[in-house]
Amino acid sequence: EADIYQTPRYLVIGTGKKITLECSQTMGHDKMYWYQQDPGMELHLIHYSYGVNSTEKGDLSSESTVSRIRTEHFPLTLESARPSHTSQYLCASSEYQGAGTGELFFGEGSRLTVL
Amino acid sequence: DQQVKQNSPSLSVQEGRISILNCDYTNSMFDYFLWYKKYPAEGPTFLISISSIKDKNEDGRFTVFLNKSAKHLSLHIVPSQPGDSAVYFCAASRALSGNTPLVFGKGTRLSVIA
Repeated sequence: EADIYQTPRYLVIGTGKKITLECSQTMGHDKMYWYQQDPGMELHLIHYSYGVNSTEKGDLSSESTVSRIRTEHFPLTLESARPSHTSQYLCASSEYQGAGTGELFFGEGSRLTVL
Repeated sequence: DQQVKQNSPSLSVQEGRISILNCDYTNSMFDYFLWYKKYPAEGPTFLISISSIKDKNEDGRFTVFLNKSAKHLSLHIVPSQPGDSAVYFCAASRALSGNTPLVFGKGTRLSVIA
């Protein structure tokens, strides 16, 4: 059973608001990821981290930012939300991606609606 | 450019029959492939994986086949059960030759009809 938690599960906010989506894992995994997914579309990687103080942008351009101050915590922040940010945001972690593995453990997701 | 393609957005199968979900990839550097299952309002959960040194991996009712020359993999579920109804995502990475994040396809929605 994976122990990775996302809050809030659902959020409806107005344009221009600042929001932070929280993600925490209790498995001690070094690698953490944020994916964005719209219905019927693939999961797009927007940010990832391979350890504390390490963050990288993913394939999909995103106006969000992330931080990794602690191993277990990988929050995602939107400074000024817009309707185009409406989507489901999925946080994931993995122990490592080496031979014979690559499995990601996902949280339940945060569904964001920006009005 | 999509590197992992699932060309069937949906699939309907009778309970007890075989479900076959297909996935194609374009990047020949991919060497590790995974299938994830996703229910509505939940995050994806890992189902089964296969590395490029194998052509088949089996786990209970689930079998993944890899055809490297065709850059194609498929997930077989037999017998299919109503609880298998979900969206199935194919994913690939360069796990053996480099430490890269997973790349996902768009998913195939499987409906198993009782």
